[in-house]
Amino acid sequence: KQEVTQIPAALSVPEGENLVLNCSFTDSAIYNLQWFRQDPGKGLTSLLLIQSSQREQTSGRLNASLDKSSGRSTLYIAASQPGDSATYLCAVKTDSNYQLIWGAGTKLIIKP
Amino acid sequence: DVKVTQSSRYLVKRTGEKVFLECVQDMDHENMFWYRQDPGLGLRLIYFSYDVKMKEKGDIPEGYSVSREKKERFSLILESASTNQTSMYLCATLTGISTDTQYFGPGTRLTVL
Repeated sequence: KQEVTQIPAALSVPEGENLVLNCSFTDSAIYNLQWFRQDPGKGLTSLLLIQSSQREQTSGRLNASLDKSSGRSTLYIAASQPGDSATYLCAVKTDSNYQLIWGAGTKLIIKP
Repeated sequence: DVKVTQSSRYLVKRTGEKVFLECVQDMDHENMFWYRQDPGLGLRLIYFSYDVKMKEKGDIPEGYSVSREKKERFSLILESASTNQTSMYLCATLTGISTDTQYFGPGTRLTVL
C-alpha cells in the first residue's frame, strides 16, 4: 500500500533563504506527483505536477524534482518571502484513475 | 477561474445530529470529491462522484453518505454526528479522470460536541 511522508512537519526560516521541502513515497510505481499549497481558511491550490516520466518541473521561484527509484520528491523554494508562509502538501497518483495518496504536509513559516 | 464554494466555513453540531455539508462548483466538472483533513494524517477520501446520481466510496466512508442530484452540487451527510467526526472537510472537483488538477473549496471546519 502506497504511503506518503513529509518531514519535517513544520519549518521556520528567515526571509530570503533558499529552502527545500521533502516528500517520500513507498512504492515507486507512480503515475504522477503533485505539490499543493494550503493557506489558512482557504482550500488547496496546485503548484506543480510532475509526470512519472519527468525529472522536474519549474514555476517561478519553485522547482520540484522527482526521483522515482529512491521514492523521493523535493520542492525547492528560492529567495523565500513571508508570502510563501503556508502548508505545503504533496500527493501521489498511483494509476490513471482519480485516487490521490496524500502526505500530511509541512507547515512553512518565513520570518521577516 | 474555477470556483468551488462550501456552504459553511465553521460549523458546530451536537452528537447525534444530522449534518449536511454542501459543495457547489461553477465549471461543469463531472467529478467531485469529499475529503477530511486531520492533523498528522493528510487528506483522506470519503466519497467521490463521477456523474449525477453516481457515487463511489473512498477510503473512509463509514458514518457518511452523499447526494448528487445536480451536476454542480455534491452534498456530504453525517447521518448521526459523532465526536470523532470533528475535522476539516474539503470538497474538490476534477474535469475528467484523464486530467490531474483537482480544484478545492475553502473547507468547512466541523466541531461535534
